[in-house]
Amino acid sequence: AQTVTQSQPEMSVQEAETVTLSCTYDTSESDYYLFWYKQPPSRQMILVIRQEAYKQQNATENRFSVNFQKAAKSFSLKISDSQLGDAAMYFCAYRSAIGDFGNEKLTFGTGTRLTIIP
Amino acid sequence: EAQVTQNPRYLITVTGKKLTVTCSQNMNHEYMSWYRQDPGLGLRQIYYSMNVEVTDKGDVPEGYKVSRKEKRNFPLILESPSPNQTSLYFCASSFGGLLYHEQYFGPGTRLTVT
Repeated sequence: AQTVTQSQPEMSVQEAETVTLSCTYDTSESDYYLFWYKQPPSRQMILVIRQEAYKQQNATENRFSVNFQKAAKSFSLKISDSQLGDAAMYFCAYRSAIGDFGNEKLTFGTGTRLTIIP
Repeated sequence: EAQVTQNPRYLITVTGKKLTVTCSQNMNHEYMSWYRQDPGLGLRQIYYSMNVEVTDKGDVPEGYKVSRKEKRNFPLILESPSPNQTSLYFCASSFGGLLYHEQYFGPGTRLTVT
């Protein structure tokens, strides 16, 4: 079974600065997908970024980027130019690539609460 | 407005009293899923459904049942709730598989079982 670990329960960053959230995972599979989700105080879950394990290039979405290290099974999220609206709980998640259609089981980490300091 | 709705939003019940948490989406999404969120444990997937009459277990299905008789509805049933099922529950839906489609989450249902 796959596991996802987020070792930082809480992080804080000064507004406009850069912060990196850590995520490691354990799997015996060679192909899979990784996600970062954001959960603001409203509790809605928002997909931030997605990475396919077969792609060597790190995914980026505007101010959000990942550092995907497949050999180390590491998938960190970097937020540049942090804004007050980035304050939220961030979850890392894993999905197997076995059975592309129909195997929609997601395994989440425990989350990192990010505080933005004005 | 496109949305996922859950009812009730808050529920306090007693051990053993059957309950149903409803989930409905108005986006014609094929995929729906239930999660529970607990402090220190993050989100854990309970069940998911790829389409009508197609459901599958997530990581923590014990003690729960689901059904998908209509595309828009995906109720979560607790036949005999126990205190360890006290949690915050989220329903989610997606147009298709999670590889290519974002999940839309409902507002959550806070359940307390005494």
